[in-house]
Amino acid sequence: DAGVIQSPRHEVTEMGQEVTLRCKPISGHNSLFWYRQTMMRGLELLIYFNNNVPIDDSGMPEDRFSAKMPNASFSTLKIQPSEPRDSAVYFCASSLPGQGFNSGANVLTFGAGSRLTVL
Amino acid sequence: GQNIDQPTEMTATEGAIVQINCTYQTSGFNGLFWYQQHAGEAPTFLSYNVLDGLEEKGRFSSFLSRSKGYSYLLLKELQMKDSASYLCALSRAGGFKTIFGAGTRLFVKA
Repeated sequence: DAGVIQSPRHEVTEMGQEVTLRCKPISGHNSLFWYRQTMMRGLELLIYFNNNVPIDDSGMPEDRFSAKMPNASFSTLKIQPSEPRDSAVYFCASSLPGQGFNSGANVLTFGAGSRLTVL
Repeated sequence: GQNIDQPTEMTATEGAIVQINCTYQTSGFNGLFWYQQHAGEAPTFLSYNVLDGLEEKGRFSSFLSRSKGYSYLLLKELQMKDSASYLCALSRAGGFKTIFGAGTRLFVKA
């Protein structure tokens, strides 16, 4: 298995531009998570999907951020317009659903991340 | 809500044992995870505890006390490659939401 695949690995853009980050989860995993990591705030959960349906988007910073999962093998995180404070590493992760105690529930497999720099 | 606390940094010597603590407060709990993250890389899964007690996995062990809201990760026979951040994370009951602590940066010196 190729693991969780994210693109682009690095993006440098100017303030005000639209940014689209992409993620392909592991085949068979039906939960998908978008996290953002900065030195100041650590690893923050932005949104997660279960069976392609957004379950909790309370971590999305503001309306400039949106995420979609049109099918089980693809998700996007879009920032429009981007701002310098959006600079961070954005991780996508996928997991199998939790089945209860001692099931190894919700072990996350992370992609390599997309490092975003907004100038 | 949830609150996860762990030390910011720790330093230990190669070959030694180090214990990284994590305390948490949560309104719902499904399990506690430890992840390792090397600089510039993605987090990778180390261990998972849902019941009280110790889970051992080679050089790494993790302990959980649900009543005390406390966990620790024990690393034995430290190696230089163990220098990394160690992230404590909670999985909420009834769902799939996993929230991470700020992480503990471990420096292993010769």
